[in-house]
Amino acid sequence: KNQVEQSPQSLIILEGKNCTLQCNYTVSPFSNLRWYKQDTGRGPVSLTIMTFSENTKSNGRYTATLDADTKQSSLHITASQLSDSASYICVVFSPGDGQNFVFGPGTRLSVLP
Amino acid sequence: KAGVTQTPRYLIKTRGQQVTLSCSPISGHRSVSWYQQTPGQGLQFLFEYFSETQRNKGNFPGRFSGRQFSNSRSEMNVSTLELGDSALYLCASSLTRVGTDTQYFGPGTRLTVL
Repeated sequence: KNQVEQSPQSLIILEGKNCTLQCNYTVSPFSNLRWYKQDTGRGPVSLTIMTFSENTKSNGRYTATLDADTKQSSLHITASQLSDSASYICVVFSPGDGQNFVFGPGTRLSVLP
Repeated sequence: KAGVTQTPRYLIKTRGQQVTLSCSPISGHRSVSWYQQTPGQGLQFLFEYFSETQRNKGNFPGRFSGRQFSNSRSEMNVSTLELGDSALYLCASSLTRVGTDTQYFGPGTRLTVL
């Protein structure tokens, strides 16, 4: 069964600190992996998209990594800010018949002053 | 450049009724996809429309349907509403097919079924 798991479920850090969120997937076939940020009450915002051949992609203070062999991805946030408080969702796109997005449950990040 | 807009933002219906939600994509975007988000199931893909044709569909019953107009605006319809249909319904637009391109999400329509 196609599945995306994320850890931790929730995380609390102090402003200015770094953190890393994890994503493990069992999705086949695989086309790309995406990280989204979703503020409470708003639609998700795309942070990164990585294909099979890419192992690192950055977007400002956000850096995503992908290990297609172990089917793991991580999202590293550097020098966190209060505005980083949100849910971070890992998504894998599976192409072909019945192509579909497989969503992870998200990691809820709270950044405290 | 205006973002993705969804109307209405909030909706309350009763079981058995039907509902139509609307999504206007970013100008020039040809793909519109729809998602359901609930606390229990998280985000789930409903379907994608590209050039007025449904291109793929998630694992939802036939009560969920949609269409796309020539100006790329899209509507989603849910018939015979059930309590479990209460959710945040999100649409997203992209320049090309959703699987290969960055998606831009709207703010969502919060549907409550009583």
